[in-house]
Amino acid sequence: AQSVTQLGSHVSVSEGALVLLRCNYSSSVPPYLFWYVQYPNQGLQLLLKYTSAATLVKGINGFEAEFKKSETSFHLTKPSAHMSDAAEYFCAVSDLGSSNTGKLIFGQGTTLQVKP
Amino acid sequence: KAGVTQTPRYLIKTRGQQVTLSCSPISGHRSVSWYQQTPGQGLQFLFEYFSETQRNKGNFPGRFSGRQFSNSRSEMNVSTLELGDSALYLCASSLAGPPTDTIYFGEGSWLTVV
Repeated sequence: AQSVTQLGSHVSVSEGALVLLRCNYSSSVPPYLFWYVQYPNQGLQLLLKYTSAATLVKGINGFEAEFKKSETSFHLTKPSAHMSDAAEYFCAVSDLGSSNTGKLIFGQGTTLQVKP
Repeated sequence: KAGVTQTPRYLIKTRGQQVTLSCSPISGHRSVSWYQQTPGQGLQFLFEYFSETQRNKGNFPGRFSGRQFSNSRSEMNVSTLELGDSALYLCASSLAGPPTDTIYFGEGSWLTVV
């Protein structure tokens, strides 16, 4: 069965500092991996998506993530945090297996706080 | 291009009542999926529809049901509401469904059961 673990429910960084949000996944078949961001009282917005084309995936707003099969990880990074990055971030996994048609499995989320 | 539209945005219901939530997908999208978001359980998959057919269903009791119409609009219904059904219900649409197609989320319907 697929699963996603996000290490750290809360992460706090200073403005301008490196952002690192951790995600580990479990999947018995090649996974599709996603990072979404959710601002207060809003839905989820896709930051980036891994589809096996390249291990380093660049997304919107300066975020990127690297797929590491050996570590079953897909950590999200941004070199320099902005105040506007404060939000909740979700990692998700899916695959092409018939039992997972149309379905994403989400991690529990990480709240990013950016301090001035 | 209009995004995914969910109605109503906020509603309060009493235990035992039933509720219907509506979702209008992005034009041209045929896949609609529903998720429940709560502080304790996080984001959980409810079901996914494609061309009026339910293709997948999450681990929710039968009180949770849904349907999709020929114009791809979708509704979900929760009968005999319980306090634990209080949540943000998110609808998402895509061309043919994840994971190959990106799914786009609406802003959600906030349900409070009292």
